[in-house]
Amino acid sequence: DQQVKQNSPSLSVQEGRISILNCDYTNSMFDYFLWYKKYPAEGPTFLISISSIKDKNEDGRFTVFLNKSAKHLSLHIVPSQPGDSAVYFCAASALSGGSNYKLTFGKGTLLTVNP
Amino acid sequence: GAGVSQSPSNKVTEKGKDVELRCDPISGHTALYWYRQSLGQGLEFLIYFQGNSAPDKSGLPSDRFSAERTGGSVSTLTIQRTQQEDSAVYLCASSFQANTYEQYFGPGTRLTVT
Repeated sequence: DQQVKQNSPSLSVQEGRISILNCDYTNSMFDYFLWYKKYPAEGPTFLISISSIKDKNEDGRFTVFLNKSAKHLSLHIVPSQPGDSAVYFCAASALSGGSNYKLTFGKGTLLTVNP
Repeated sequence: GAGVSQSPSNKVTEKGKDVELRCDPISGHTALYWYRQSLGQGLEFLIYFQGNSAPDKSGLPSDRFSAERTGGSVSTLTIQRTQQEDSAVYLCASSFQANTYEQYFGPGTRLTVT
């Protein structure tokens, strides 16, 4: 049973437009959420995170929104750039639990930003 | 500075053979993690080491999988009697402490079992 779901395997947007990547989770114990970006042949790199006590976290062109009641989060990238083309993974953790180091990942969404 | 390194980058092995995958974490990082990414899947937690504490092996899929971390630094993931379903990218990560948002990943080892 997938506890973190990224239902869109791929997304294509034009340079300069907004990219919105979505993620849903089922485990109500999750209280910390992260987005990782992965280029081919490289390991994932941390992008941005959000705690469940917040509903928004912003870092430059990247903003993550969290809707706890809907168990849904989204990553907004604006404006999108060709260098943003990568696989984006949503991950979740139960920081208040005993195994707070465990990350549960979604399957990823391949973002392609067209020039 | 040097990031997490893994070797080999690619490994092709025959079904039934044993394989060893190596991870060199970032110097000074006390926490080390192994993940597996099968085709079309997300990253799957395998095992976690923190300092001298007993590792969390709860994610290892079978007793054919084992891992050790010598001297609190380098880690080796061993898969015995490999099966085709073991084919995946094996990713290692490290962090200064058990802060999940600061896990630094290596490039992974792509294992193909024929």
